[in-house]
Amino acid sequence: DSGVTQTPKHLITATGQRVTLRCSPRSGDLSVYWYQQSLDQGLQFLIQYYNGEERAKGNILERFSAQQFPDLHSELNLSSLELGDSALYFCASSAPQGVWDNEQFFGPGTRLTVL
Amino acid sequence: DQQVKQNSPSLSVQEGRISILNCDYTNSMFDYFLWYKKYPAEGPTFLISISSIKDKNEDGRFTVFLNKSAKHLSLHIVPSQPGDSAVYFCAASDGGSQGNLIFGKGTKLSVKP
Repeated sequence: DSGVTQTPKHLITATGQRVTLRCSPRSGDLSVYWYQQSLDQGLQFLIQYYNGEERAKGNILERFSAQQFPDLHSELNLSSLELGDSALYFCASSAPQGVWDNEQFFGPGTRLTVL
Repeated sequence: DQQVKQNSPSLSVQEGRISILNCDYTNSMFDYFLWYKKYPAEGPTFLISISSIKDKNEDGRFTVFLNKSAKHLSLHIVPSQPGDSAVYFCAASDGGSQGNLIFGKGTKLSVKP
């Protein structure tokens, strides 16, 4: 158990809909990262938050947005969903700045299926 | 353009033998490399890492080798065990304050008893 929790575990929805994925980082971790893993693909970095502020952006579509709340949990919002958005979405967290800053601890993921 | 490449989608090894997983990268700014292991229905789990100032890091049965001139790293598992069967992802970071990782597509390792 990494200490990172994600809800829901599975999500099935229709095209055009909007969903929210939730992530709670490990206790004490300030950074939260979101990744997307499509079929036969590696993990694609979407976005990072650090202590409530957006820190880095990867290949995140404009239809997607995220935020990190004062209690450090994060939400990833996916809107106007398309079939191609079906994927595993992982959240990861890491400790504050330091030598272990790059070691990220992953949650179990949310499997999104868009029908 | 893929900055981190794992060219072997799968690898099959006999129990007790050595497993060698390879990873190539293109960005010379990467200075920290990690290997993650992933079982089905679970998130990736950190396995071992190496800084660009080193060429080898060892942790039990796992050793990572880094060849900066070739922009190549490898993960050696000795001896391989059936429980090592999983997908292994290579990841790289250019450090700084961001820390986001660039992942390869993974190599599925099967260790046969």
